[in-house]
Amino acid sequence: EVQLVQSGAEVKKPGESLNISCETSGYSFTSHWIAWVRQMPGGGLEWMGIIYPEDSDVKYSPSFQGQVTISADKSTSTAYLQWRSLKASDTAKYYCARLQGYYNSYGDFWGQGTLVTISS
Amino acid sequence: SYVLTQPPSVSVAPGKTARITCEADNIESKSVHWYQQKPGQAPMLVIHFDSDRPSGIPERVSGSNSGNTATLTLSRVEAGDEADYYCQVWDSTSDHFNWVFGGGTKLTVL
Repeated sequence: EVQLVQSGAEVKKPGESLNISCETSGYSFTSHWIAWVRQMPGGGLEWMGIIYPEDSDVKYSPSFQGQVTISADKSTSTAYLQWRSLKASDTAKYYCARLQGYYNSYGDFWGQGTLVTISS
Repeated sequence: SYVLTQPPSVSVAPGKTARITCEADNIESKSVHWYQQKPGQAPMLVIHFDSDRPSGIPERVSGSNSGNTATLTLSRVEAGDEADYYCQVWDSTSDHFNWVFGGGTKLTVL
């Protein structure tokens, strides 16, 4: 059974760093791209970036380039989303999703989401 | 950039048919995928490649794509169908990987 299990909710202050995770199981981690998707409070879905765990090839949405870092650890089948300096506007729920394919791709399995709250 | 436009809300009585549209320029040239998101839950794929249902999605959920409009159709709507629905395409017109989501449609079952 394919599963993506994300780390728990986080409450941080502006300027702090943060690393959230997406642990996968039930399939070959290195054979599928993983995407990170943001959902702001009351808002829609926004694609942030994708990573191919086999070679850690990463592609960022222009909207998030330079704002976050996406990485993966093949030894633990886990993908990560990292911030160096959080802002209040980073408050959102973040989802990881396994991509089926690349061209014309879609997310066939999703993590449960990680709620990130940034408040002073 | 490629923009997908969805109606903010659609209302339907139980047992009737709900149609949720996703409009964009020449969208029929792209593959459209649809997700259902219930309150407090992660998105779930309900249609891929315009009209294919993943395993476990009932036959009363269907999709189509023609001209400038893709449509998600839910027949014999049930209370459990109440959710937000998002369309998504992979935009090949940009020079980099680009997922595009519609703004989402809230389906209300009356």
